[in-house]
Amino acid sequence: EPEVTQTPSHQVTQMGQEVILRCVPISNHLYFYWYRQILGQKVEFLVSFYNNEISEKSEIFDDQFSVERPDGSNFTLKIRSTKLEDSAMYFCASSYVTGDEQYFGPGTRLTVT
Amino acid sequence: AQTVTQSQPEMSVQEAETVTLSCTYDTSENNYYLFWYKQPPSRQMILVIRQEAYKQQNATENRFSVNFQKAAKSFSLKISDSQLGDTAMYFCAFMKHEAGEDKIIFGKGTRLHILP
Repeated sequence: EPEVTQTPSHQVTQMGQEVILRCVPISNHLYFYWYRQILGQKVEFLVSFYNNEISEKSEIFDDQFSVERPDGSNFTLKIRSTKLEDSAMYFCASSYVTGDEQYFGPGTRLTVT
Repeated sequence: AQTVTQSQPEMSVQEAETVTLSCTYDTSENNYYLFWYKQPPSRQMILVIRQEAYKQQNATENRFSVNFQKAAKSFSLKISDSQLGDTAMYFCAFMKHEAGEDKIIFGKGTRLHILP
């Protein structure tokens, strides 16, 4: 069964450094998403992406964040200058059509020290 | 804005028992989806069950079923014959059924412990 994959599974970085989290969505999916879960808290929407454009973003998704689909398979989330409060689990998800089931990846645990 | 409320932060039941997890939501939308996601200790997000708001029939998936009360904006999850592997965090979630408005809004979760 096709699945969403994410790399790395765990990333440790120092405050102020740039990080790129990578996701490979399911191959025929067209809609891509990033969500964040701070430890012990609920999962929060960050951004949705379709046709090489951001469709919607939350207030969390400020200028420090960017997303990109650099090729036909990868979908990345970049945090330009990480802060301690960016420490969280980051989930990528994809769906074939808007409004359809979103398939989640296993997540990347980001630790900012 | 839509909100999802899970009033039970934590629950414990004995293996083989039936357990019901509560969820209420607030929306002015008429067309939407509701979900229950399971997050085991591995922290993977696994879709357990989905309900389309326009369907009156409650969704079921093997041992998992929901009680969807649209007027009351209630969406509870029933797990029958609970198993040790059901131990996890369970999130109730909402999504509008509208193109371009497909972010999922999650509740805070209920931590479920199945006891041997």
